[in-house]
Amino acid sequence: GNSVTQMEGPVTLSEEAFLTINCTYTATGYPSLFWYVQYPGEGLQLLLKATKADDKGSNKGFEATYRKETTSFHLEKGSVQVSDSAVYFCALNNDMRFGAGTRLTVKP
Amino acid sequence: DSGVTQTPKHLITATGQRVTLRCSPRSGDLSVYWYQQSLDQGLQFLIQYYNGEERAKGNILERFSAQQFPDLHSELNLSSLELGDSALYFCASSAITGSEAFFGQGTRLTVV
Repeated sequence: GNSVTQMEGPVTLSEEAFLTINCTYTATGYPSLFWYVQYPGEGLQLLLKATKADDKGSNKGFEATYRKETTSFHLEKGSVQVSDSAVYFCALNNDMRFGAGTRLTVKP
Repeated sequence: DSGVTQTPKHLITATGQRVTLRCSPRSGDLSVYWYQQSLDQGLQFLIQYYNGEERAKGNILERFSAQQFPDLHSELNLSSLELGDSALYFCASSAITGSEAFFGQGTRLTVV
């Protein structure tokens, strides 16, 4: 069946550090891939998406590239800010199953 | 504002009781998803409806049930509540299965 495996958290970084959160998937067909973010006390909101192989999604300085050969969709940001502290979820579109979530804390 | 409305925002009830959580999807969205989020846990997919019909089932307990009505709003019914059912319950909607999902603010259920 379909599944998403996400990097275990939590992750604590200093401001301006480089961020990578790993996500790999198992799916039939050619799913779309998503990263969602959940800020404290809020619901999830879409951060970025990619709909086909080699697509790069980007938003707010975050990027992720759909790698079919490695079945991965890793989230990266070159320089994190305190305001990026949140929980990040990788998701597979077929039935919107989510990864376990990775809690990111950025310290000033 | 995502356009997805969940009511109530907070609910406190006793063990053994039954509650109903309500979700109004974004205008025009046919697909509704329900999730449970417990403390320190990820998002557990419960169930999906598409245009009134059950489309996919996740880790939904037999004590829980859901439905989607002709006007596309959905309700999640939780019965014989246990302390462990205390969690945030999210509803999300999308235009079609597989497209971007929009989440409500959640209902925080506390079972005492």
